[in-house]
Amino acid sequence: GQNIDQPTEMTATEGAIVQINCTYQTSGFNGLFWYQQHAGEAPTFLSYNVLDGLEEKGRFSSFLSRSKGYSYLLLKELQMKDSASYLCAVLDSNYQLIWGAGTKLIIKP
Amino acid sequence: GAVVSQHPSRVICKSGTSVKIECRSLDFQATTMFWYRQFPKKSLMLMATSNEGSKATYEQGVEKDKFLINHASLTLSTLTVTSAHPEDSSFYICSARGLAGNQGEFYEQYFGPGTRLTVT
Repeated sequence: GQNIDQPTEMTATEGAIVQINCTYQTSGFNGLFWYQQHAGEAPTFLSYNVLDGLEEKGRFSSFLSRSKGYSYLLLKELQMKDSASYLCAVLDSNYQLIWGAGTKLIIKP
Repeated sequence: GAVVSQHPSRVICKSGTSVKIECRSLDFQATTMFWYRQFPKKSLMLMATSNEGSKATYEQGVEKDKFLINHASLTLSTLTVTSAHPEDSSFYICSARGLAGNQGEFYEQYFGPGTRLTVT
């Protein structure tokens, strides 16, 4: 079966750094997405990785290791507005997005 | 960037009635549209995938006669919840994907803002 695992909830302090991990087992791999979703809103795109390595985009970075079936999203200089759920999703061999359950990130002052 | 709109944003209806939700891609042609539902504190659950001009492909466990999907044009898909019941109350989100290469090579999905359905 297809499976994507990420922690249910994480807490971090404003100004700090947090890393949200995602491991996956899917039928085929055509890339991994990270989305941010605030409560009551639709997801918004953060990053896409299809090759191994680190992609940096401002305060957010995403890493992928295809051999390990592993990705992480790194958030630096945390702000209160970063409090949200972060969804990991993998594009499988049929180009269907397989979604993780999401990680709720709580930022404390 | 690509914009997807959804209407209505919130709807309250009585049990037994039908509700139609529209999803539009405003500045690109969406060859494929996806309908999701999301329960509180849960992840997105794919209900169906629709390609313009053809019948929708429903996920296992989703009743196609209850959740009618029409993707009549490259910019519009509709989801009709028929004979709604309180357990159909949920957050319904559509997303759209353009032509490969037209919206980037990575098959990004652009999400609508969602529709909060409450059935009383």
